[in-house]
Amino acid sequence: KAGVTQTPRYLIKTRGQQVTLSCSPISGHRSVSWYQQTPGQGLQFLFEYFSETQRNKGNFPGRFSGRQFSNSRSEMNVSTLELGDSALYLCASSEGGGYGYTFGSGTRLTVV
Amino acid sequence: AQSVAQPEDQVNVAEGNPLTVKCTYSVSGNPYLFWYVQYPNRGLQFLLKYITGDNLVKGSYGFEAEFNKSQTSFHLKKPSALVSDSALYFCAVRDYGETYKYIFGTGTRLKVLA
Repeated sequence: KAGVTQTPRYLIKTRGQQVTLSCSPISGHRSVSWYQQTPGQGLQFLFEYFSETQRNKGNFPGRFSGRQFSNSRSEMNVSTLELGDSALYLCASSEGGGYGYTFGSGTRLTVV
Repeated sequence: AQSVAQPEDQVNVAEGNPLTVKCTYSVSGNPYLFWYVQYPNRGLQFLLKYITGDNLVKGSYGFEAEFNKSQTSFHLKKPSALVSDSALYFCAVRDYGETYKYIFGTGTRLKVLA
């Protein structure tokens, strides 16, 4: 079956703009999580959605938001972009329990 | 709070030699432990997991990990390293409660030298 699909793969934005990233989970997976990966901070948890509800949120400012649709697809939005938001944003889906994650290839966001 | 630690930023090993990438954890209750690998410009790929059962877990690409409850460790191992094993390795633990949030270690870069 198809894996986790993230679009776009690469993105260049200007400071102050906003951006929306998309994630399509594996069919049947209802949980979608988002992580930010940077060389200095490693993998930082952003938020997790399950059946359209946000169940967990990491320690990120309110500029970072997300949502999940009824078909489990998820989007994350970053408003008022800052240079420090440049990172690889990873989406992961899970069918729950102890199955772990399946990750997408990520969206590389560069803020200039 | 749940946490994992990967004490080595980088591990170098000669091709054909055994490799070990270390991970220790701190959890409330029984741990769900995972190893993932990341190749350049890619997402993380699942290698193996421990939930219950045998302490030696076998995973993808010839990797295995040993769960040691008394030492709270979950080290990743492979009997004979390949140059293609060079990548970034992450240990992770599932957070406590009815959630699918996972906590990742800081990652260990494995370099296998030809």
